[in-house]
Amino acid sequence: GQNIDQPTEMTATEGAIVQINCTYQTSGFNGLFWYQQHAGEAPTFLSYNVLDGLEEKGRFSSFLSRSKGYSYLLLKELQMKDSASYLCAVIYRDSGNTPLVFGKGTRLSVIA
Amino acid sequence: EPEVTQTPSHQVTQMGQEVILRCVPISNHLYFYWYRQILGQKVEFLVSFYNNEISEKSEIFDDQFSVERPDGSNFTLKIRSTKLEDSAMYFCASSRTGGNEQFFGPGTRLTVL
Repeated sequence: GQNIDQPTEMTATEGAIVQINCTYQTSGFNGLFWYQQHAGEAPTFLSYNVLDGLEEKGRFSSFLSRSKGYSYLLLKELQMKDSASYLCAVIYRDSGNTPLVFGKGTRLSVIA
Repeated sequence: EPEVTQTPSHQVTQMGQEVILRCVPISNHLYFYWYRQILGQKVEFLVSFYNNEISEKSEIFDDQFSVERPDGSNFTLKIRSTKLEDSAMYFCASSRTGGNEQFFGPGTRLTVL
């Protein structure tokens, strides 16, 4: 199977920085996405990495190492509204309409 | 900003009944998907659709499931005879190209009694 592993839960303090890790099977890898999902709502797109390195977008950054099958999502200046699940999802193959394979998500709780 | 829409937001049905979940993808998108998420579990792929036919389907998408694009805007998921274990949130998604970001609709919460 195409296992995607990420921690189940994390807790961090308002204003702090948190890093959420994701590891995945590298065979057939063709891109990695991070989504945010608030309880009872749809996943919303945060970032996309296909090449090695860091992609920065405001308070959120995402890093990818293709050789290691590893990514992380970095959230800076945490706010209470960042409390949500963060989903790592991988596209395998480059054959058109390929589905996203999701990890189980990391539930982040931001506390005062 | 264009978005994917889904109806209904909630659907309650009796076991064995047929349900149709409806989605309107973003208008210039060509690739469509259905995913489901059982409460407390991960998002799982069901089926992808392109050029008026199924591109790929998962093991979950058995003979009880079907998809259709009946007109230029709607994309539907039909479950012919619902089972208790079909209770989940069903998300429709669309993307402009095959490997790009997928935009998710708000979901339909299906409860099978």
